[in-house]
Amino acid sequence: NAGVTQTPKFQVLKTGQSMTLQCAQDMNHEYMSWYRQDPGMGLRLIHYSVGAGITDQGEVPNGYNVSRSTTEDFPLRLLSAAPSQTSVYFCASSATGGAAEAFFGQGTRLTVV
Amino acid sequence: AQSVTQLGSHVSVSEGALVLLRCNYSSSVPPYLFWYVQYPNQGLQLLLKYTSAATLVKGINGFEAEFKKSETSFHLTKPSAHMRDAAEYFCAVSDGGYSTLTFGKGTMLLVSP
Repeated sequence: NAGVTQTPKFQVLKTGQSMTLQCAQDMNHEYMSWYRQDPGMGLRLIHYSVGAGITDQGEVPNGYNVSRSTTEDFPLRLLSAAPSQTSVYFCASSATGGAAEAFFGQGTRLTVV
Repeated sequence: AQSVTQLGSHVSVSEGALVLLRCNYSSSVPPYLFWYVQYPNQGLQLLLKYTSAATLVKGINGFEAEFKKSETSFHLTKPSAHMRDAAEYFCAVSDGGYSTLTFGKGTMLLVSP
């Protein structure tokens, strides 16, 4: 079972470059989210989606863009990378709202120089 | 608005000793509460969750947590620590809306021989 797959696992960007972090799930989950993890900060929600065509902002959305054209995929786009976006990014999916378990990908470690 | 406070960024125990990781939450509605574990360079894995069925929740790897509404707490315990329990532990709360999670800042559990 693949679960939630994130690519790439590691990436180094120069300031100002753009890139897309990929996230795919094979569990037919409606809910998908992106979090960033920084030392001492826990995980913070960037954007989330409750179904194809529906997205909304989380706690720290600035500098990121998302879209959800299919149930399976939820890419995260960095429009113009900044050093403050150096972080580990996690994608998660869950079947429904509320009490449903969230399944996490292995993460993408991004460094912006 | 919901929030989570985890007391202690690091907790050190000896192998065989009791593990106690503290979590207090704030929520305007009856919450769903979760504990996740993160091993080095991996994604998050669900340990256990509280969904209002029973106040004492048993999870994987011998962990359990007790929901105490009067104290707004959901502390994680394990009677006897193993070396393999060394990891970072995150408490999270969901308000049952769109299934996005609000995480605490995490507690690193260190287990010494």
